[in-house]
Amino acid sequence: DVKVTQSSRYLVKRTGEKVFLECVQDMDHENMFWYRQDPGLGLRLIYFSYDVKMKEKGDIPEGYSVSREKKERFSLILESASTNQTSMYLCASSLDYPFHEQFFGPGTRLTVL
Amino acid sequence: KQEVTQIPAALSVPEGENLVLNCSFTDSAIYNLQWFRQDPGKGLTSLLLIQSSQREQTSGRLNASLDKSSGRSTLYIAASQPGDSATYLCAVKGGSNYKLTFGKGTLLTVNP
Repeated sequence: DVKVTQSSRYLVKRTGEKVFLECVQDMDHENMFWYRQDPGLGLRLIYFSYDVKMKEKGDIPEGYSVSREKKERFSLILESASTNQTSMYLCASSLDYPFHEQFFGPGTRLTVL
Repeated sequence: KQEVTQIPAALSVPEGENLVLNCSFTDSAIYNLQWFRQDPGKGLTSLLLIQSSQREQTSGRLNASLDKSSGRSTLYIAASQPGDSATYLCAVKGGSNYKLTFGKGTLLTVNP
């Protein structure tokens, strides 16, 4: 089975802190994605990566950066956390093939105080 | 810009009923459509994937159909059970970067 894991289920941080969210997949997928999910707004793509050290902005990249140093790991970085970044963050991965499905991790509920 | 709409936003049914969830999308140039289930506070579980060339996919009590030309998909759940209670999301994949565009989901409650 494909497994996508995220480093934390729940995280509480303070405004201005630097926050790292980690995602690891074990299926040698080329593509990895970070989404955030908010009530009434649904899932929105923040960033995605189609190869090691490669990244592209999604729909809402402002305030975020990403890092992909190894194929299996994709990190989302909040350089200076703000209260409007309180959200559920979901990581996903897929093969680099348009007909392949995306597999999601369990999510990280981030609260910024 | 692709837009995905799911109707209804919420649905409550008695146990044992057959039900249909609807998903519509504005741009028919898609690679595939994926149905997900999400339990409260959890991640997304993939239920069914329909390629653009397919008309339907089945898994157990679930059947998903796709009419690409009209921009519609339905998820049929047979003999619903309380354990089916969850939010159901549809997402279409299109564009040069294989981007998934999600609907906002249908919250399903199956009452015992």
